[in-house]
Amino acid sequence: GNSVTQMEGPVTLSEEAFLTINCTYTATGYPSLFWYVQYPGEGLQLLLKATKADDKGSNKGFEATYRKETTSFHLEKGSVQVSDSAVYFCALSDLGGGSEKLVFGKGTKLTVNP
Amino acid sequence: DTEVTQTPKHLVMGMTNKKSLKCEQHMGHRAMYWYKQKAKKPPELMFVYSYEKLSINESVPSRFSPECPNSSLLNLHLHALQPEDSALYLCASSPYSGRLQETQYFGPGTRLLVL
Repeated sequence: GNSVTQMEGPVTLSEEAFLTINCTYTATGYPSLFWYVQYPGEGLQLLLKATKADDKGSNKGFEATYRKETTSFHLEKGSVQVSDSAVYFCALSDLGGGSEKLVFGKGTKLTVNP
Repeated sequence: DTEVTQTPKHLVMGMTNKKSLKCEQHMGHRAMYWYKQKAKKPPELMFVYSYEKLSINESVPSRFSPECPNSSLLNLHLHALQPEDSALYLCASSPYSGRLQETQYFGPGTRLLVL
């Protein structure tokens, strides 16, 4: 079945450092790919998405490119801030039972220190 | 209005109690979801409603009973829960306009503690 593998955390960075969180996927079809972010004590928020190969999703300085050849969707940000501290989930959509099903990675906790 | 609301934010219940979680969206979405999230884990899908009909039940115990009274509202009725059911319960919705790969929009969750 479909699956998502993302790098194990936790990741600790200093403010203004470069961030990469790796995500690779296994899918039989042509899924859409997502990054969701969960701030402490809150629900999930969509950070960015890409629906086809070579699409780049971007939001709030974060970027990820849908790479079909390497089945990857790595999250990057050039300069992180303390407010980016959160758990980041990579996910893909999987159409099952006539409704969208999201398959999540295990999550990567990011801590940014001042 | 682009948000999913959930009530209550926190809930403490005993194992013999009956309680309900409520989720509401006014985005015209036709698919709604319940997820369970344990600490330091990703969300796990429980139920999916499409056009107010239950389309997916991920083998959830019968002590959890979903209900979709209308296209904007989703309830989760809880009865005779166990302490291991303590978790964050997340509701989500998506347009389900027939296009594939739609985005799901999540609510803030209800944090449930079963004593």
